Amino acid sequence: GENVEQHPSTLSVQEGDSAVIKCTYSDSASNYFPWYKQELGKGPQLIIDIRSNVGEKKDQRIAVTLNKTAKHFSLHITETQPEDSAVYFCAASRGGSYIPTFGRGTSLIVHP
Amino acid sequence: DAEITQSPRHKITETGRQVTLACHQTWNHNNMFWYRQDLGHGLRLIHYSYGVQDTNKGEVSDGYSVSRSNTEDLPLTLESAASSQTSVYFCASSDRGEETQYFGPGTRLLVL
Repeated sequence: GENVEQHPSTLSVQEGDSAVIKCTYSDSASNYFPWYKQELGKGPQLIIDIRSNVGEKKDQRIAVTLNKTAKHFSLHITETQPEDSAVYFCAASRGGSYIPTFGRGTSLIVHP
Repeated sequence: DAEITQSPRHKITETGRQVTLACHQTWNHNNMFWYRQDLGHGLRLIHYSYGVQDTNKGEVSDGYSVSRSNTEDLPLTLESAASSQTSVYFCASSDRGEETQYFGPGTRLLVL
């Protein structure tokens, strides 16, 4: 089955800095890669996703890149703000299964 | 607005007792999922369903069961609660043919 590794487990940055979270996956058939943000006491919420036919996707201050050859994808957050503090999960799934395999999460702390 | 709800939000029980956690969604989504979240393990899939009368085991299904008698609900039952089942449980749903999962607010379960 799919295995998703996520690093780092904790990331501490100053407000205004950039943050990068990296994930690798094992199943070359995976073609959908979502990122979820989980705020304290809440369920995860999708913030951005990318499919295998696209190398990069941006949405305001967040972007995701995908390298299919190396089987890794990354989340980039620019100009971080305290409200970006949360746990972020990457995931990978095969098209049609609708069952993502999640990474173990990264706790992002943005210091004002 | 359509939503996904879980009840109870907090539960304390004793080992050996049967416990049922409720999940209800009003999006009319076909796919529903149960995950547990533990520190250092991220989100692990317990059971999932692609529609009424359909249920499938996930990677950590031992000691848990689900039933799907209608589209809106997927209750999770712990047949005989164990201390190892102390965790935060999340229910999620997704529409037919869609990858994005929508998570409930979670149930925090403590088994003493």
